[in-house]
Amino acid sequence: QVQLVQSGAEVKKPGSSVKVSCKASGGTFNTHSISWVRQAPGQGLEWMGAIIPIFDTPNYAQEFRDRLTLTADKFTTTAYMELGGLRFEVTAVYYCSSEVGDCHGGNCYSVWGQGTLVTVSA
Amino acid sequence: QSMLTQPPSVSGAPGQRVTISCTGSSSNIGADYDVHWYQHLPGTAPKLLIYANTNRPSGVPDRFSASKSGTSASLAITGLQAEDEADYYCQSYDTSLSGSLFGGGTKLTVL
Repeated sequence: QVQLVQSGAEVKKPGSSVKVSCKASGGTFNTHSISWVRQAPGQGLEWMGAIIPIFDTPNYAQEFRDRLTLTADKFTTTAYMELGGLRFEVTAVYYCSSEVGDCHGGNCYSVWGQGTLVTVSA
Repeated sequence: QSMLTQPPSVSGAPGQRVTISCTGSSSNIGADYDVHWYQHLPGTAPKLLIYANTNRPSGVPDRFSASKSGTSASLAITGLQAEDEADYYCQSYDTSLSGSLFGGGTKLTVL
């Protein structure tokens, strides 16, 4: 069973960037899409983008297209989410998720990382 | 505008049945894209509850069921339990956005 473990909480200044990692273990990494979803306080889940490691071609939600970079390292089975322009962001929890098992090819998210809290503060 | 609309909140007494609606449009649910449902408890990662409109992953009780028709979908929870108190989200693909879309979420309160 695939497990996703994310990097720890971050505190960032407005205008800076943050890079969050998502390490996959226990299953196939390269052929399953990894998506990133965030939740700001009091808000709902928001899909940010996705990448299939074997193809290495990310797909970004329109809102994040100019500031988001998704990458995946097939050798370390780790996905990365880098978000710039934190000036416009509020504190949020960022999740990685994978379309494995029941969700393979189905555009749903069956396995999730534990979440990474990114606090934006001067 | 591409969106999935859910009621902000629903409530029910233990043992009762509640439903949560998810209304989309011709660019997502109405375009025959699958609808998926998640349960989200505070401080934890979301959990897949229903995939591909009606299917329960292994381990999800059969108290949870879902359906889809036209541009809408619905999640039903029977025999409400205190542990069901959580936020519930629908999710689908949207052709206009060329990506996934979550509903705004529904907070279920067990009275």
